[in-house]
Amino acid sequence: DAKTTQPNSMESNEEEPVHLPCNHSTISGTDYIHWYRQLPSQGPEYVIHGLTSNVNNRMASLAIAEDRKSSTLILHRATLRDAAVYYCILRVPSGAGSYQLTFGKGTKLSVIP
Amino acid sequence: DAGVTQSPTHLIKTRGQQVTLRCSPKSGHDTVSWYQQALGQGPQFIFQYYEEEERQRGNFPDRFSGHQYPNYSSELNVNALLLGDSALYLCASRRDTTYNEQFFGPGTRLTVL
Repeated sequence: DAKTTQPNSMESNEEEPVHLPCNHSTISGTDYIHWYRQLPSQGPEYVIHGLTSNVNNRMASLAIAEDRKSSTLILHRATLRDAAVYYCILRVPSGAGSYQLTFGKGTKLSVIP
Repeated sequence: DAGVTQSPTHLIKTRGQQVTLRCSPKSGHDTVSWYQQALGQGPQFIFQYYEEEERQRGNFPDRFSGHQYPNYSSELNVNALLLGDSALYLCASRRDTTYNEQFFGPGTRLTVL
């Protein structure tokens, strides 16, 4: 399985930007980079995804390295509600014409008031 | 839109018993995936159902089986429960033609004594 490496935990002060790194050195050309987050006592929630170019949406920005071996999820202003486990996942196409998501342990983000 | 719903919320069983967990996908979604999340770990893919058939399967034994109904709802069955089956079981849904995001339910917490 294509693997990602993330720090176990990170801390951020409230209202400051947060940069969550992810390494995926074995990524192949057709693998998309997805980020999900899981708030306490909830199921995972989609955050953002990308292939080669940087991406922005209402929740976050995704910066992808030129060689695609790493990426960074950027939360522009952390709030207490952003405290969660953030998962960086490679979306690998399967032979069934579909795909599955392989989660690692993720990064636990703590936000300090 | 109710989103993905799962039942029951919590369940306690004893070793050797059988359990059935249920999932109703988000409106308009036809693809359902099941994940197992042990404490402190990321979700692990069990299998995916589409058009009432198992399309993909993760590295789980045959004790784990499923079903999808014509209304796209799904069940996860686990036979001969082991202590190690204690986990949060998550259901996720999406449209088969959409590769961007899966929507997860809140999960069913299964405890095996």
